[in-house]
Amino acid sequence: GDSVTQMEGPVTLSEEAFLTINCTYTATGYPSLFWYVQYPGEGLQLLLKATKADDKGSNKGFEATYRKETTSFHLEKGSVQVSDSAVYFCALTPNSGNTPLVFGKGTRLSVIA
Amino acid sequence: NAGVTQTPKFQVLKTGQSMTLQCAQDMNHNSMYWYRQDPGMGLRLIYYSASEGTTDKGEVPNGYNVSRLNKREFSLRLESAAPSQTSVYFCASSHTEGLGFFGPGTRLTVL
Repeated sequence: GDSVTQMEGPVTLSEEAFLTINCTYTATGYPSLFWYVQYPGEGLQLLLKATKADDKGSNKGFEATYRKETTSFHLEKGSVQVSDSAVYFCALTPNSGNTPLVFGKGTRLSVIA
Repeated sequence: NAGVTQTPKFQVLKTGQSMTLQCAQDMNHNSMYWYRQDPGMGLRLIYYSASEGTTDKGEVPNGYNVSRLNKREFSLRLESAAPSQTSVYFCASSHTEGLGFFGPGTRLTVL
C-alpha cells in the first residue's frame, strides 16, 4: 500500500543552521504531498503542500519540491530558528478526493541558541 | 470560525470503562477522520467518514466505534478501555483536495 518514510530523529541544530528532513514515498498514481508541523502540546498544522510533479511548496522559509523521479519531498530551510523546534510530519493522499492522509512517523527537530 | 474542535482535552479512565470523544468542524467539509498518535509511530488512522452517513475502518480500528452524527460531528467511542488505548487522539476534516485540518487533540490515559 501507500506509505511515507521519513528520516529518523531527533535532529538537533544550532540557530541559523541549514535544515534538511528527508521524505520519500511509495504510492500508485499521482499523490498530493504535504508537510505538517506539530508544536509542543498542539495539534498538527499544515506547513506546505504540492499537488503535482515539480511543484514547490513553501511557507515560513520552508520549502519542499515534489520529485516524481526520486519519489521524494524533502523539507528544507536555509536558516532555522529556536521557534522552529517541533515535530515535522511528511504525508500524502493517494489520489484526489476524500481519501485519508498517510503519514510518516515524524521527525523531531530541536534548535538550540 | 473555530475550525476543528475536540472534547475533552484530557481524560483518565480505568480499564473497562467506556467513553466518547467528541469532534466537530465548522468548515462544511465532507470528510472527517480519527487518528491516534503514539511515540515513534506517527499518526495512525482509526476510522474515517468520507461523507455524512458513511464510515470506514482505518489501520487500527479494533476497540473503537464511530458515529457520523451529521456533517459537522464525528464521535469516537471506546466501549471497554484498555491500557493499549492510552494515546493522543486527533480528529481531522478535509475537503476534496485531501488537505487535512486537525483539532487540538485529546490526551487519554487508561490505567
